[in-house]
Amino acid sequence: EAGVVQSPRYKIIEKKQPVAFWCNPISGHNTLYWYRQNLGQGPELLIRYENEEAVDDSQLPKDRFSAERLKGVDSTLKIQPAELGDSAVYLCASSQGTASSYEQYFGPGTRLTVT
Amino acid sequence: GQQVMQIPQYQHVQEGEDFTTYCNSSTTLSNIQWYKQRPGGHPVFLIQLVKSGEVKKQKRLTFQFGEAKKNSSLHITATQTTDVGTYFCAGGRNYQLIWGAGTKLIIKP
Repeated sequence: EAGVVQSPRYKIIEKKQPVAFWCNPISGHNTLYWYRQNLGQGPELLIRYENEEAVDDSQLPKDRFSAERLKGVDSTLKIQPAELGDSAVYLCASSQGTASSYEQYFGPGTRLTVT
Repeated sequence: GQQVMQIPQYQHVQEGEDFTTYCNSSTTLSNIQWYKQRPGGHPVFLIQLVKSGEVKKQKRLTFQFGEAKKNSSLHITATQTTDVGTYFCAGGRNYQLIWGAGTKLIIKP
């Protein structure tokens, strides 16, 4: 079974530039998560999708971050414009259901460096 | 806001010594999950605890969920180099998982 796929694995951009991350979850997983992880910290939820619907985006900085999951499968997270403080690892995860009791499967992440 | 506190932040041990990390929540959790993240890797699910006072074991790892469902611990007996990484707890509340900051296990050379 293929795991969660993310691309790119690494991205270096200058501040004020746009950047996009792509995620393909495990087949059949209806729930998709985007997390941001800073060095030495735990994952911080940015947005949670149930199928196509964003059911929790309370922590997403909506002035510069956007996300979509148009067909309820793969998803894109965008930052525009990027700031120095956005440097982090962006993790995508998926699970079979939306309750907190479901195991989350993580992709390898995208390490973003903003210079 | 909602928080799950995890301590210690780091623990240095000699290979063969034991390791313990603790998670505490100010409010009752519906469940708690534990994940391990190897250096340079991504979090990988280890186990879930749901019942009050539950204890589960995986080889040298022992997981406990407190009676009040507000705290949890992970204990590793006789650490090995393969145990190196950061261990995260994540508490379930209102369909969300609230993540601790992790405890990094470092094996002294």
